[in-house]
Amino acid sequence: AQSVSQHNHHVILSEAASLELGCNYSYGGTVNLFWYVQYPGQHLQLLLKYFSGDPLVKGIKGFEAEFIKSKFSFNLRKPSVQWSDTAEYFCAVIDYGGSQGNLIFGKGTKLSVKP
Amino acid sequence: DAGVIQSPRHEVTEMGQEVTLRCKPISGHNSLFWYRQTMMRGLELLIYFNNNVPIDDSGMPEDRFSAKMPNASFSTLKIQPSEPRDSAVYFCASRRAGGMNEQFFGPGTRLTVL
Repeated sequence: AQSVSQHNHHVILSEAASLELGCNYSYGGTVNLFWYVQYPGQHLQLLLKYFSGDPLVKGIKGFEAEFIKSKFSFNLRKPSVQWSDTAEYFCAVIDYGGSQGNLIFGKGTKLSVKP
Repeated sequence: DAGVIQSPRHEVTEMGQEVTLRCKPISGHNSLFWYRQTMMRGLELLIYFNNNVPIDDSGMPEDRFSAKMPNASFSTLKIQPSEPRDSAVYFCASRRAGGMNEQFFGPGTRLTVL
């Protein structure tokens, strides 16, 4: 079954620092990948998604992610973080094996940005 | 568009009581998902429905948990009897037909079982 690993549990950065959050998935077939963000006390919102085409995907709020098939990775990046980016970030993949269309989430990475 | 609506937003109850969480998906969406989020286990899928039919309930932790979707605009997640370890945030999400479509999440219900 598909699984998702997020390597960092908690990342602490200063404003203007660059961000990269790691995400790896386990299944090597066709994948659809997502990054969701959860601001404190709020629900999950979609940042960006990859289905096909250009492996470099641009999302909202200056975030981007790169799909590297050979590495089973879909890392999230932002060149310069802001205090308002403090949130928890979840990588997810659609599992077409067991339950079609079911999103499999990683454990999440908490990002704290110091002003 | 009102988004996914969940009620109540907060629920505090005593162990042994019945708890019912409610969800109204976005109109036109035909898939509905129930998730549970805890610090220890992260975000877990409990059950999901396609066209009001439960497709996969393998994530439902025990027989104490049950979910229904009597029509396209309403779903419930019931816990009976509730236990302190059920304390979590429960999210409902909905999606249009097709696995390639984004899931939209509701604001969640924060459940505390004393």
